[in-house]
Amino acid sequence: DIQMTQSPSSVSASVGDRVTITCRASQGISSWLDWYQQKPGKAPKLLIYEASKLQSGVPSRFSGSGSGTDFTLTISSLQPEDFATYYCQQADSFPLTFGGGTKVEIK
Amino acid sequence: EVQLVESGGGLVQPGGSLRLSCAASGFTFKSYWMSWVRQAPGKGLESVANIKHDGSDRNYVDSVKGRFTISRDNAKNSVYLQMDSLRAEDTAIYYCARYSSSSGWIDPWGQGTLVTVSS
Repeated sequence: DIQMTQSPSSVSASVGDRVTITCRASQGISSWLDWYQQKPGKAPKLLIYEASKLQSGVPSRFSGSGSGTDFTLTISSLQPEDFATYYCQQADSFPLTFGGGTKVEIK
Repeated sequence: EVQLVESGGGLVQPGGSLRLSCAASGFTFKSYWMSWVRQAPGKGLESVANIKHDGSDRNYVDSVKGRFTISRDNAKNSVYLQMDSLRAEDTAIYYCARYSSSSGWIDPWGQGTLVTVSS
């Protein structure tokens, strides 16, 4: 199985800050990488697919980059509604696997 | 609007069985793979099982192989997860979700149903 490692596991930031979350795959996955946002008590929501494609309806302050084994999710200017936990997921092969999550907290 | 609604969760004793159901609407159900993803309390996400549009291909995470069975009824726009020989470590919220085999994304997700395995 492909292991996904996210860092950091948590980050404290202020409204307006730029936040970067990284995800590393244990083997090359081309661009088969998705990012999700999950708020407490809610189901995850798709933000980015195929490493850099923005899901319809997702604000443009979210962006993704990377290929192979190293990927990044960037929030260019953190908004109050962005405080949540973020997960990466590889879609290269079954079983689909997720990173451990990054909790973005209010500083 | 694309919608997924799960049902069937609850409290079950170790070694027991439970069948989860997921009713889909708002999209051409028979054209998509479907997935079950679980989240243990306070933990991360784990893909449990996936099934191809016509049911001809299924796959499972190792920890549930031989115990869980995913199935679907395209006439009823529904997907199911039969869970047997349940263990305490199967306790989680189980989400039903649509999976795109061409792009790899999982979207949308249902609201989830809680399965608690405890004596």
